[in-house]
Amino acid sequence: EIVMAQSPDTLSASVGERVTLSCRASQSISGNLAWYQQKPGQAPRLLIYYASARATGVPARFSGSGSGTEFTLTISSLQSDDFAIYYCQQYHNWPPCSFGQGTKLEIK
Amino acid sequence: QVQLVQSGAEVKKPGSSVRVSCKTSGGTFNRFVINWVRQLPGQGLEWLGDVIPLFGVSNHTQKLEGRVTITADKSTATAYMELRSLKSEDTAVYFCATNSNERAPYMDVWGEGTAVTVSS
Repeated sequence: EIVMAQSPDTLSASVGERVTLSCRASQSISGNLAWYQQKPGQAPRLLIYYASARATGVPARFSGSGSGTEFTLTISSLQSDDFAIYYCQQYHNWPPCSFGQGTKLEIK
Repeated sequence: QVQLVQSGAEVKKPGSSVRVSCKTSGGTFNRFVINWVRQLPGQGLEWLGDVIPLFGVSNHTQKLEGRVTITADKSTATAYMELRSLKSEDTAVYFCATNSNERAPYMDVWGEGTAVTVSS
């Protein structure tokens, strides 16, 4: 089973800042990685797939990069609406697929 | 536009079973992979399994081996997730989710979630 580890667990940042969230796979997953944003009481929202492709309607300030075992999600200029929990998901050896434990992005 | 509508909240006794439904609309059911993901209270996301209606094939996490069945009814464009021998640790919100563009397990359309509470 491929284990996904995200860092940090919590990130405090201010509006307008550039932030980078990390996701590491326990073995190579090529580019088979997605990122999701989840707000309290809501279902997750797809942001990025195939490591760097932005989903429909996702603002350009969100970008994804990486391949193999190391991936990042970058938000170029934080907006107030971006404070949420972010999850990565690998689907390289689907089935199964697996999620990271999440990074909580909070207001500093 | 693809939409997923899930059945309502459930309260169950330990040892019983629950079946959650996920009705699709706005797309071709046979093109989908319907995934099931759960979220324990205050916890992260856990992939439970999926079903490909076109082939009638389902997969599930080994963690729930013997307790979970995922099916799809093409006549009603509805997917189901049944979990048996419920334990208090199964208390969670259960989501169905799919990919509206390709038969792949990253998910751009999600149901609203179904809260399942297991309590004596």
